[in-house]
Formats: sequence, structure tokens, C-alpha cells
Amino acid sequence: DAGVIQSPRHEVTEMGQEVTLRCKPISGHNSLFWYRQTMMRGLELLIYFNNNVPIDDSGMPEDRFSAKMPNASFSTLKIQPSEPRDSAVYFCASTSGQGYTEAFFGQGTRLTVV
Amino acid sequence: DAKTTQPNSMESNEEEPVHLPCNHSTISGTDYIHWYRQLPSQGPEYVIHGLTSNVNNRMASLAIAEDRKSSTLILHRATLRDAAVYYCIRTQGGSEKLVFGKGTKLTVNP
Repeated sequence: DAGVIQSPRHEVTEMGQEVTLRCKPISGHNSLFWYRQTMMRGLELLIYFNNNVPIDDSGMPEDRFSAKMPNASFSTLKIQPSEPRDSAVYFCASTSGQGYTEAFFGQGTRLTVV
Repeated sequence: DAKTTQPNSMESNEEEPVHLPCNHSTISGTDYIHWYRQLPSQGPEYVIHGLTSNVNNRMASLAIAEDRKSSTLILHRATLRDAAVYYCIRTQGGSEKLVFGKGTKLTVNP
């Protein structure tokens, strides 16, 4: 398996634009997580899904952020409108969803909002 | 959120053992301890996890105190490639939710 695949790897956008980050989890994994990492706040859990259903979105910063998982092999994190403070590295991770198994992380998307 | 306490940074020399401590004094009976590490410019990667007994795998060993209020990640022979931020995470009950703290930045000197 190619692991968790995120796209794009880098994104530069202007303030006010819509940004969509994509994630393909490992085939057969049932849980998917979105994280954001900045120097100031570290790694923050934004939202996680189990069997395509959002289980905990308490980390989503505000209404400008939304996440979807239309099927088991694809998830998106959308920011609309984007702001400079959204600049961060966004990671996606997946697990088998069966007990205490390891989480596999993607390489991340580095987002810069100017 | 589940809380753990780790030193901000540690240093080691190459080919020497490294003991990374973690305190989790409020741990409950069903909480697991997980260790992840993050190399520069990469996503976190799993290292090891355990509940009560000490655990070994190809990457490291996890020593859990008898009262479970602390644990230690042991790298038996540090290499330059082990330089990373190491995160000790406690998962509550049956939750898969990994909440990362600040971690310990490990520097390995040649």
C-alpha cells in the first residue's frame, strides 16, 4: 500500500479564497483524522471520522472549516474563506478502527495564505 | 483531554541508549500509552504502545511503571536518524483519539 496520500503537498493561496485539501486513507482503514500543525499550537486534532461518519469535530476552529468523507477512500478539508492565520501544515491520518492500532500519517499539505 | 508530561528536550550521543520519560499520573485502568515520533518535515510515525506490561518491538522498548503513573521509551542505540520530536500520548478508554502535546525534542550528537 502507498500509505496515506495527501494532495496537494504545497498550496499557496490568497486571503479570501477557498482551499480544499484532499486525503486518501489506507485501503481497508475505517477511521480518518485531520490534524493541523503550527509552531505556536503544535499538532491539533481537528476532526475524526469512523466509517465515514464524523465522530468528533470539536477541534474544528470555526465555521470557515468543513470536512467531508463521502466514501471510505476519500476525505476533504475545506477552508472558505481562507485567512493568513490558517497557514499551517495539515496532516491526515488513518487507522483500522479496531482497537488500539497504529495511526498512519500522510506527508502533510503545507498551506500558505497570503 | 488526556494529559501527559514530558521534558521539552533531551540530548544523547550516537550509539548510546536513550531513556525518554513521560508522566501520566491521572491515568485510569483502561488507558493506553502510545509513543509517536516526528522527524523533521515529516508526519508523525508510530513507535510503540502498551497498557500494563513492558513492550518491545524493532524500534524501541516501552517500560511502564508498576503504578502506571509514568513510562519510559527506550531507544537501545541512538542513531542520527532518531533525532525527532517524541510524543507520549494517553488514549482514554476505547477512544482512538490521539491528542498530541508538545513532546520531547531529541537531539543525537555524532
